[in-house]
Amino acid sequence: KQEVTQIPAALSVPEGENLVLNCSFTDSAIYNLQWFRQDPGKGLTSLLLIQSSQREQTSGRLNASLDKSSGRSTLYIAASQPGDSATYLCAVSSYMTTDSWGKLQFGAGTQVVVTP
Amino acid sequence: NAGVTQTPKFRVLKTGQSMTLLCAQDMNHEYMYWYRQDPGMGLRLIHYSVGEGTTAKGEVPDGYNVSRLKKQNFLLGLESAAPSQTSVYFCASSLTGTGNSNQPQHFGDGTRLSIL
Repeated sequence: KQEVTQIPAALSVPEGENLVLNCSFTDSAIYNLQWFRQDPGKGLTSLLLIQSSQREQTSGRLNASLDKSSGRSTLYIAASQPGDSATYLCAVSSYMTTDSWGKLQFGAGTQVVVTP
Repeated sequence: NAGVTQTPKFRVLKTGQSMTLLCAQDMNHEYMYWYRQDPGMGLRLIHYSVGEGTTAKGEVPDGYNVSRLKKQNFLLGLESAAPSQTSVYFCASSLTGTGNSNQPQHFGDGTRLSIL
């Protein structure tokens, strides 16, 4: 069974510092990996999706890397801002087969606070 | 551009009562999902649907029923609410399945449900 872990559960950094968020998974046979942002009282917003054949994906100040063999992904947020304060979740998708629909398995998230 | 809309946003029930949560999406997505989010546990899939008229069990289906009579709507029912069902419920949709495409899931803002 796929297990997704995010450590630490919470993180506080001063404004301007780079953020490094970790995600690990136990089964390397993934279809893709997604990073989501969740603001308090809100739903999840997809930030980046890395296909299993890719090593990294970038969007603005965000960069996500994927190392399937070691079962790890890292989300980097450059020059953090107070507006980056949120909970960040990663999720891995398994392959769709006749026996499996390819569900999304979530980590519990890392709560980030960026202090001014 | 509404995306995924969930109603109601908040609800308090007494043990044994029943209720239905409504999810509506306007993106013509085939796949729809119901998740619950509990502290420290990430999101867990309750039920999902791969198209109008279809439903399937997810990771934690007991105590819940669903229906997808129209493509744009996915209903989650609690027949006899229990305190263990106190949670935040999220609906999501995607154009195709996560295990055979790289289409992200789009989430609603959630329904906060308390069972007394």
